[in-house]
Amino acid sequence: DTAVSQTPKYLVTQMGNDKSIKCEQNLGHDTMYWYKQDSKKFLKIMFSYNNKELIINETVPNRFSPKSPDKAHLNLHINSLELGDSAVYFCASSHDRRGGETQYFGPGTRLLVL
Amino acid sequence: AQTVTQSQPEMSVQEAETVTLSCTYDTSESDYYLFWYKQPPSRQMILVIRQEAYKQQNATENRFSVNFQKAAKSFSLKISDSQLGDAAMYFCAYRAGANSKLTFGKGITLSVRP
Repeated sequence: DTAVSQTPKYLVTQMGNDKSIKCEQNLGHDTMYWYKQDSKKFLKIMFSYNNKELIINETVPNRFSPKSPDKAHLNLHINSLELGDSAVYFCASSHDRRGGETQYFGPGTRLLVL
Repeated sequence: AQTVTQSQPEMSVQEAETVTLSCTYDTSESDYYLFWYKQPPSRQMILVIRQEAYKQQNATENRFSVNFQKAAKSFSLKISDSQLGDAAMYFCAYRAGANSKLTFGKGITLSVRP
């Protein structure tokens, strides 16, 4: 049973396109996250939702819009893709929003913008 | 702002030997949490160990243990009896209280020599 799943695993697209990455967790967790890992492997938080409420919104371009239809899903939509958006995007979840809670990561989505 | 520093980009260890990965952090908080995550070539992020700052006792998980020095703001990971499967990138991470972000260091690549 996959705890945190993401689709697709790979995404190759042209500059200017719009794309979405989907994330689902079957752990019954309240809190979900999106991270970006750049080409140097640096991981940085983008967004976090708790029970469908946005609680963390880092300095991310407006072209990135998260959507949480329910607490088990957190999708990431990216408009007008740019070359610099090429990265691996990780979804994660934790039991709740408390600082000590372990975050469980999905397998990542490798996005390549040409 | 909280920062996490992993100054060694790479380390190598002989199979069955012990290796220590270093990490320092900067914070003005008194209560926080520290984590080590492992990212093998499969790119799946896996929690290795976590430490609560209010606990003086160092956390241990089988072959993995930490040396947590709160005054020095140091959080190193010791891997005993290294195995080939330990070869991966290791990330040190810090998180304060609820709704705060998980801040990662730049990571260290560990190779294990047979």
